[in-house]
Amino acid sequence: NAGVTQTPKFRVLKTGQSMTLLCAQDMNHEYMYWYRQDPGMGLRLIHYSVGEGTTAKGEVPDGYNVSRLKKQNFLLGLESAAPSQTSVYFCASSPPTSGSADEQFFGPGTRLTVL
Amino acid sequence: KQEVTQIPAALSVPEGENLVLNCSFTDSAIYNLQWFRQDPGKGLTSLLLIQSSQREQTSGRLNASLDKSSGRSTLYIAASQPGDSATYLCAVRPWEGGSEKLVFGKGMKLTVNP
Repeated sequence: NAGVTQTPKFRVLKTGQSMTLLCAQDMNHEYMYWYRQDPGMGLRLIHYSVGEGTTAKGEVPDGYNVSRLKKQNFLLGLESAAPSQTSVYFCASSPPTSGSADEQFFGPGTRLTVL
Repeated sequence: KQEVTQIPAALSVPEGENLVLNCSFTDSAIYNLQWFRQDPGKGLTSLLLIQSSQREQTSGRLNASLDKSSGRSTLYIAASQPGDSATYLCAVRPWEGGSEKLVFGKGMKLTVNP
């Protein structure tokens, strides 16, 4: 049981390049999330999904797109990377229980640098 | 808008001390509150989750309490060890219609010196 995994762990992009970050979970969780963590800003929600085939915007969605074609995978795409997207990206998942008991489990993160 | 605050931002203590980490939030309408630990360059590890109907949760040397009416939570670490050195984050899940997100504090960096 690997939990939540993220690919790649590190990446350096040039401004304008595109890339996709992959998140996979093997806990059969319905909900999945993408956060970014920046110094002095804490973690902020980019996009989330409440089930296969669904996506929704979070707090800071601009410049990102997501897809949830399979329940276990949640992809985060950057179509045209900007230096402002330099950050550490975390994926998380949670089961839809009673609402108050759903704990979020996090992946190890992807460190992205945009030059 | 829900805001979560953790003060102080950093704390350095000698080994063996009992510690209290503070978390405050502005809106008491929450589903739950979760405490995480983050080691340098690593992801977040969930420590404790307190549901809105609960007052506290315990796991080993950790005890977390929740006072929704005052918008406060504390994480108590008993007999601190150098291995407890990490950044501790508090997060609440707001009771907003359709909201699935966690709102995080900026974290408190703890250093326990041998």
